[in-house]
Amino acid sequence: QVQVVQSGAEVKRPGASVKVSCKVSGHTLTELSIHWVRQAPGKGPEWMGGFDPDDGETIYAHQFQGRVTLTEDTSTDTAYMELSSLRSEDTAVYHCAIPQLPGAFDIWGQGTLVTVSS
Amino acid sequence: SYVLTQPPSVSVAPGKTARITCGGNNIGSKNVHWYQQKPGQAPVLVIHYDSDRPSGIPERFSGSNSGNTATLTISRVEAGDEADYYCQVWESSSDHYVFGTGTKVTVL
Repeated sequence: QVQVVQSGAEVKRPGASVKVSCKVSGHTLTELSIHWVRQAPGKGPEWMGGFDPDDGETIYAHQFQGRVTLTEDTSTDTAYMELSSLRSEDTAVYHCAIPQLPGAFDIWGQGTLVTVSS
Repeated sequence: SYVLTQPPSVSVAPGKTARITCGGNNIGSKNVHWYQQKPGQAPVLVIHYDSDRPSGIPERFSGSNSGNTATLTISRVEAGDEADYYCQVWESSSDHYVFGTGTKVTVL
């Protein structure tokens, strides 16, 4: 049974960067495809990017390309999402999500609140 | 980019049936997944591949998908079904995942 635990809440200034972690257990990171989904207050989920196992590439949503970087540390089974040039509109809960069945996110992290405020 | 449109809200009396639609261009050719989200919680997958229920999801939840509309149906609605519901697809042309606009289900 896959379980995921994310890092704690963050408060950042506009223009700064934030790095959120997602540690998995029950499976190794190499067996999983980690994606990131964010949800602004009162809004629906928004996919940011994730690992495509079919071609071994990380794919990014168009609106985040150039600002988001997804990485993994297989030695600790931890995935990371770094978002740069933060602005107030980036205030949101950031989830890691795992599609154990292709295309459907059946495992979710508890979420990490990132607040961007001056 | 591919857009999935849902009604903002659906109200239903306990014991009745709620139907939540998800409109998208030729959505019937895609696999549609549905999530339930309660306040302060992560989304939970309730229907995958149009009409399959993950383990632990009540049979009261069912789905269909044809043409330009996918539908999540909740039968014999209970107070605990009150939540936001989102549809989601994988868009092959862009290799992107898309979520619907969301529907708030209120149990009267």
